Amino acid sequence: SQKIEQNSEALNIQEGKTATLTCNYTNYSPAYLQWYRQDPGRGPVFLLLIRENEKEKRKERLKVTFDTTLKQSLFHITASQPADSATYLCALEAGGFKTIFGAGTRLFVKA
Amino acid sequence: EADIYQTPRYLVIGTGKKITLECSQTMGHDKMYWYQQDPGMELHLIHYSYGVNSTEKGDLSSESTVSRIRTEHFPLTLESARPSHTSQYLCASNPGGGEQFFGPGTRLTVL
Repeated sequence: SQKIEQNSEALNIQEGKTATLTCNYTNYSPAYLQWYRQDPGRGPVFLLLIRENEKEKRKERLKVTFDTTLKQSLFHITASQPADSATYLCALEAGGFKTIFGAGTRLFVKA
Repeated sequence: EADIYQTPRYLVIGTGKKITLECSQTMGHDKMYWYQQDPGMELHLIHYSYGVNSTEKGDLSSESTVSRIRTEHFPLTLESARPSHTSQYLCASNPGGGEQFFGPGTRLTVL
């Protein structure tokens, strides 16, 4: 079955730097891949969706890449701010309007 | 912020009690989902619905049941709660694309 691998170690970066998070998957390439933000005790919030025929997607300070050959997506936050501190989840289309989620990577941005 | 609501936000109950977790959305979305999430772990799909009178079990075995009598309402019921049911329960809806809108979650503790 499809598995999602996200770095379980927290990422600590300095304010103003670019944060880069990685999402790897193991089996079939999904029709689309998504990134969500989750704050402690809250539900995830949708950030970006990228389709299999797209290489890159941008939204404000966020950028997502999707490499179906490597079975990998990279999620970048440029000019990071302390308010960007959260857990970021990678999610894959799993057929029939279902989605599977990774466990997420915790990001800490220090002022 | 998405118009999807969950009640209660927190619930502490004793073993053997019957409970219903409520989820409502005002966006008219046909597709709705229930996920279970333990701290630091991925979301697991336990039930989903593609519309009124449509319910399916998800990938994670669950002793809960759901109903979908109205588009906006998707309650989850545990007939007899056990300590192993202690977790965070997240409800989500989908307008038809990949993006899911999540509620704030219910933190359930069974003593």
